[in-house]
Amino acid sequence: QQQVKQSPQSLIVQKGGISIINCAYENTAFDYFPWYQQFPGKGPALLIAIRPDVSEKKEGRFTISFNKSAKQFSLHIMDSQPGDSATYFCAAGFQGAQKLVFGQGTRLTINP
Amino acid sequence: DAGITQSPRHKVTETGTPVTLRCHQTENHRYMYWYRQDPGHGLRLIHYSYGVKDTDKGEVSDGYSVSRSKTEDFLLTLESATSSQTSVYFCAISVRQGNTEAFFGQGTRLTVV
Repeated sequence: QQQVKQSPQSLIVQKGGISIINCAYENTAFDYFPWYQQFPGKGPALLIAIRPDVSEKKEGRFTISFNKSAKQFSLHIMDSQPGDSATYFCAAGFQGAQKLVFGQGTRLTINP
Repeated sequence: DAGITQSPRHKVTETGTPVTLRCHQTENHRYMYWYRQDPGHGLRLIHYSYGVKDTDKGEVSDGYSVSRSKTEDFLLTLESATSSQTSVYFCAISVRQGNTEAFFGQGTRLTVV
């Protein structure tokens, strides 16, 4: 199946805390798992992405953890800042199809 | 925004009228996409194109048609707008084959009354 399920729908974290957003997929053919960040009034922008040959990828304060056997992946934002307040989308794709399937989105609010 | 321009940025239209949204890119990328964004549904693919005159349906294509007569322009048409098509529409491009990274435009907010 093509679905990607994302949770939670909304998340409130205190400044300096860790934000965690989870996604689950069904199609084992997926081989590309990006996360997008969207600010109000803007289009989504690629934040970080992972392929299933690694279990973790870190870029600055953002980390993707990938569990192939469980068909799950998650975004961790360390030392969360008010500027991280945005909507986050996970997605999944495979090269043969040249298109992405997106999760439902998570609205993240970081309280100062 | 990877040279992507969407027009118009905002539109209010009446039920039953045709509406065309335009996506223009400046860098001759092959793959272009139209998504709609709705609360609780994330981004859903409407149609996509893999070249001039080559298009295919996405998961929510009913009520929509597309055309791509030039590499740089991808048009989305609502033949007869309905209130359920009130949404924010995003155009996106992929910069090369085998890389599904997508770059998005700024979006068009469409309201059907």
